[in-house]
Amino acid sequence: KNEVEQSPQNLTAQEGEFITINCSYSVGISALHWLQQHPGGGIVSLFMLSSGKKKHGRLIATINIQEKHSSLHITASHPRDSAVYICAGQSNFGNEKLTFGTGTRLTIIP
Amino acid sequence: DVKVTQSSRYLVKRTGEKVFLECVQDMDHENMFWYRQDPGLGLRLIYFSYDVKMKEKGDIPEGYSVSREKKERFSLILESASTNQTSMYLCASGTTGGAFFGQGTRLTVV
Repeated sequence: KNEVEQSPQNLTAQEGEFITINCSYSVGISALHWLQQHPGGGIVSLFMLSSGKKKHGRLIATINIQEKHSSLHITASHPRDSAVYICAGQSNFGNEKLTFGTGTRLTIIP
Repeated sequence: DVKVTQSSRYLVKRTGEKVFLECVQDMDHENMFWYRQDPGLGLRLIYFSYDVKMKEKGDIPEGYSVSREKKERFSLILESASTNQTSMYLCASGTTGGAFFGQGTRLTVV
């Protein structure tokens, strides 16, 4: 069993829909990262959070430490949001090691 | 802006060749990482380094070695490339503030 599990693996939605991607982890972490990877591109860090909620534009990330669960939400989704979204737990041993989920491939249809 | 730069976006090498993948970061980070990314497996840690000349094996170090002679540069070496090392390779660096990724190198071994 992966230490970081994401769901769903694939998600297709119509433009404008509200999107939720979930991440559960079983390891001890100091922070959780949400990353975005466009086709053929590198990875961009969207959020790093250790408690509560963060918002950036149409993106919202939440984390529940007790339940070891995080969600990434996209409001008013747009085709340019199509990408792979990856959650990763950052080690709490001080060496910044990340444990990754396998990613959620999001496709937004115009 | 933090920059993590990988020397090549695409590489094609022959089986048995020695391959060098270079990564440079400009933020004086102590920790640097090499990952490979394969469909269905997500990102897996090959090696990481927490200081100059210091290195630790990650989850899949077999067939790889690394070099960190200067703080800003972390090199991944495939001693004798094999076809099962065809993959996307990602370098990252980080402090307690987060993780920053290069754009990735897609390596094909033929």
